[in-house]
Amino acid sequence: EAQVTQNPRYLITVTGKKLTVTCSQNMNHEYMSWYRQDPGLGLRQIYYSMNVEVTDKGDVPEGYKVSRKEKRNFPLILESPSPNQTSLYFCASTSWTASYEQYFGPGTRLTVT
Amino acid sequence: SQQGEEDPQALSIQEGENATMNCSYKTSINNLQWYRQNSGRGLVHLILIRSNEREKHSGRLRVTLDTSKKSSSLLITASRAADTASYFCATGGETSGSRLTFGEGTQLTVNP
Repeated sequence: EAQVTQNPRYLITVTGKKLTVTCSQNMNHEYMSWYRQDPGLGLRQIYYSMNVEVTDKGDVPEGYKVSRKEKRNFPLILESPSPNQTSLYFCASTSWTASYEQYFGPGTRLTVT
Repeated sequence: SQQGEEDPQALSIQEGENATMNCSYKTSINNLQWYRQNSGRGLVHLILIRSNEREKHSGRLRVTLDTSKKSSSLLITASRAADTASYFCATGGETSGSRLTFGEGTQLTVNP
């Protein structure tokens, strides 16, 4: 089954404690992306990757890091989380040589206290 | 920066009625997509319309695109309670179609 998986689905952590949210897709997609969703602000892109070892900033990259060492994985790293990073995070992937339709993961709800 | 803006922000209708949501955007696009999100869950792709298309159908969905007005509409016919969700439009740019910019969404409630 074609899917994007994220882990963990829920996470409560404290300010400053480094964390990683994993994202994996099994569709051999070149393009992967991270979004955060906040009430009244919609979905905002954090980082995206056009292919392995190619990443670029989205609209709200501050406080986040990413890496793309393998085509299927695109982890999101928060080196020193702060309360303003409390949000619902989505990973998505697509084949930019094909239809542009993005496949979304189920989301990770992060709370930083 | 937000590219798409949906209107209305919220819509409540009765089962069987049609629901129309609108999306306006600011810059030239390669494509415009509509997604659906059930509460707190991942977005699901509904339909994509390219900049050279004016109308597209998929089941009970009808999407129109007017590039001169920089606007699109999503029509859901014969709505069902299961259509209750948030609906987002997302635009792909001319030079990077995969990078989507999302609007804030329309919350549709279909009452049984």
